[in-house]
Amino acid sequence: AQSVAQPEDQVNVAEGNPLTVKCTYSVSGNPYLFWYVQYPNRGLQFLLKYITGDNLVKGSYGFEAEFNKSQTSFHLKKPSALVSDSALYFCAVRDTNAGKSTFGDGTTLTVKP
Amino acid sequence: KAGVTQTPRYLIKTRGQQVTLSCSPISGHRSVSWYQQTPGQGLQFLFEYFSETQRNKGNFPGRFSGRQFSNSRSEMNVSTLELGDSALYLCASSPAAGGGNEQFFGPGTRLTVL
Repeated sequence: AQSVAQPEDQVNVAEGNPLTVKCTYSVSGNPYLFWYVQYPNRGLQFLLKYITGDNLVKGSYGFEAEFNKSQTSFHLKKPSALVSDSALYFCAVRDTNAGKSTFGDGTTLTVKP
Repeated sequence: KAGVTQTPRYLIKTRGQQVTLSCSPISGHRSVSWYQQTPGQGLQFLFEYFSETQRNKGNFPGRFSGRQFSNSRSEMNVSTLELGDSALYLCASSPAAGGGNEQFFGPGTRLTVL
């Protein structure tokens, strides 16, 4: 069975500082990995994904994520956080056999001015 | 393109009733998935439909069912509602089934069971 862990319920950073939201996964085969963001009272929005190729993927709003196969991790990063980045972030995994998507429990990111 | 739309946005029901939620995917998208989001359980996968066929199903009781129509619109039904069914139900569409396709989510239907 596949699973996703987001070890931090909450991440707090100051505006302008780099941010990292952690994600580790477990799948039986090769993974497809995704990050989504949810703003209050809204549905999830796609940020970026890893399918194959370069381990560093770039996405919307200046976010990027690094796929690390040996550590089974896919941490979300941004060099300089904005207050407007404050939201709930979800990591998701899907195995290459086109099975269901499994989401982590989410990490609330708060960026303080 | 218009995004994923879900109706109704808010719903209040009482225990034992049944409810039907509707989802219209982005035009041209043929895959529709449903999720239940609650504060305690996070985002739980319900089912995925592609070309009117259920491709995957999550670990929910048989009271939860769904279907997809030929125009890719989807409905989910919950019968004999329980208090624990109160949640935000999210629908997501993608161009094709599974794999590396990202999902586009609707705003959700907030179901409250009294």
